[in-house]
Amino acid sequence: ELKVEQNPLFLSMQEGKNYTIYCNYSTTSDRLYWYRQDPGKSLESLFVLLSNGAVKQEGRLMASLDTKARLSTLHITAAVHDLSATYFCAVAGGGSNYKLTFGKGTLLTVNP
Amino acid sequence: DTAVSQTPKYLVTQMGNDKSIKCEQNLGHDTMYWYKQDSKKFLKIMFSYNNKELIINETVPNRFSPKSPDKAHLNLHINSLELGDSAVYFCASSPSGTKQYFGPGTRLTVT
Repeated sequence: ELKVEQNPLFLSMQEGKNYTIYCNYSTTSDRLYWYRQDPGKSLESLFVLLSNGAVKQEGRLMASLDTKARLSTLHITAAVHDLSATYFCAVAGGGSNYKLTFGKGTLLTVNP
Repeated sequence: DTAVSQTPKYLVTQMGNDKSIKCEQNLGHDTMYWYKQDSKKFLKIMFSYNNKELIINETVPNRFSPKSPDKAHLNLHINSLELGDSAVYFCASSPSGTKQYFGPGTRLTVT
């Protein structure tokens, strides 16, 4: 059974600082997704990582994928308050590329 | 234009009742999904249909029954609602096994 672990689960950081969220998964997969969820809202797709070594960047967020280590990172650069949200990684696999297994999410709070 | 829509947005009902949630997507995707997000924000897939065929059927009580009348619609019917069914239910769609687009969610409260 595919297991996905995110850490940390809670992250409180100051504006302007950098930090990284980690996503480990237990079985082979070459499709990994990062989503953002604001309180009471739906999930918004941030990044799709489809191969080993993939790196994607959008604004202050950068995601990477190491399929050999079964690890993805979401790096936050010079955080701003607007980045406060819950971030989920999701891994395709468990017998089907259609099936996403989600991590528990990282609740990010960026303080002024 | 709404890509993935769900109705209703909120649903409050009593234990033992039967209720349905509807989902529609106008993206032309061939695969649709139902997820449950519990009070701790944990997201778990329940069902998936590809071209109206059930392809994922996770371990959920058989009180939950999905129905896909066509590629653009996936409904979820729940019989004999229980307190533990209270959650946010998200519908999603994707072009085959790729990025999934989520609907706004239906917050179900069972009293």
